[in-house]
Amino acid sequence: EVQLLESGGGLVQPGGSLRLSCAASGFTFSNCAMSWVRQAPGKGLEWVSAISGSGGSTYYADSVKGRFTISRDNSKNTLYLQMNSLRVEDTAIYYCAKDGWGSGSYRPHWFDPWGQGTQVTVSS
Amino acid sequence: EIVMTQSPATLSVSPGERATLSCRASQSVSSNLAWYQQKPGRAPRLLIYGASTRATGIPARFSGSGSGTEFTLTISSLQSEDFAVYYCQQYNNWPPWTFGQGTKVEIK
Repeated sequence: EVQLLESGGGLVQPGGSLRLSCAASGFTFSNCAMSWVRQAPGKGLEWVSAISGSGGSTYYADSVKGRFTISRDNSKNTLYLQMNSLRVEDTAIYYCAKDGWGSGSYRPHWFDPWGQGTQVTVSS
Repeated sequence: EIVMTQSPATLSVSPGERATLSCRASQSVSSNLAWYQQKPGRAPRLLIYGASTRATGIPARFSGSGSGTEFTLTISSLQSEDFAVYYCQQYNNWPPWTFGQGTKVEIK
C-alpha cells in the first residue's frame, strides 16, 4: 500500500523558514515524480512544486519561485520542501502527492495518492 | 497558464438523484483531465483521470466525459458518502498544473 506521511509544519513569523518532509513507502520512490499541493483555509487546491524521480527536473508555481526549493533523497524515500521568506499568504495545509502515472515519470500528470497534509501557519 | 472554471459553485441534490458537475478549460487540454473528491478535514482522493477512466476502487456511479475544453463529472445516484467538494485538474500544459475552484455537492 502506498503511504505518504508529511511532517514539519508549524507556526512561523513572516519572513521565516520551514522545511517540510514527506516520507514515502509502498512503491519505488526513485521512479516517481512527486509534488507539493497546498490549500489555504476555506480555499481550493493550488499546485506548488514538483520534482522528477531522479531529482534532475524541478518545477515551481510563480507564487513561490525563488522562495521555495523542492528536493528529494531517494536513499531515504523522502521528499522535501524548503520554504524561505514565508508570507502570510503561504498559510495553508501542504500535501505531498505522488504522480498517478506510475514509474518512469519525469513530471507529474494526475496526483494519486495524497498524504494527509501538514499545516503551515505564517503569522506574527 | 490554463485556467479551469467549474460550475456550479454549489449543487444541491437529494440522495438517489443524479449530479452533473462541469469543468471548462481556458484552452484545449485534450483528455488530460482528472477529477478529485475532498471531504472536510481529509486529503483529496482521485476519482477520474484521462477525462473518463475511473481510478482503482472508485464506484461505477462516478463517470467522466468530455475532451478539449468541456468536461463533465456525473454521479448517477448520489449516496450519503458522496456529499463533498469536487475539483477538476488539467495536466496537459505545465507548469503549472492547475485546478478548478471546486464544486460543493450538498444535501438538498
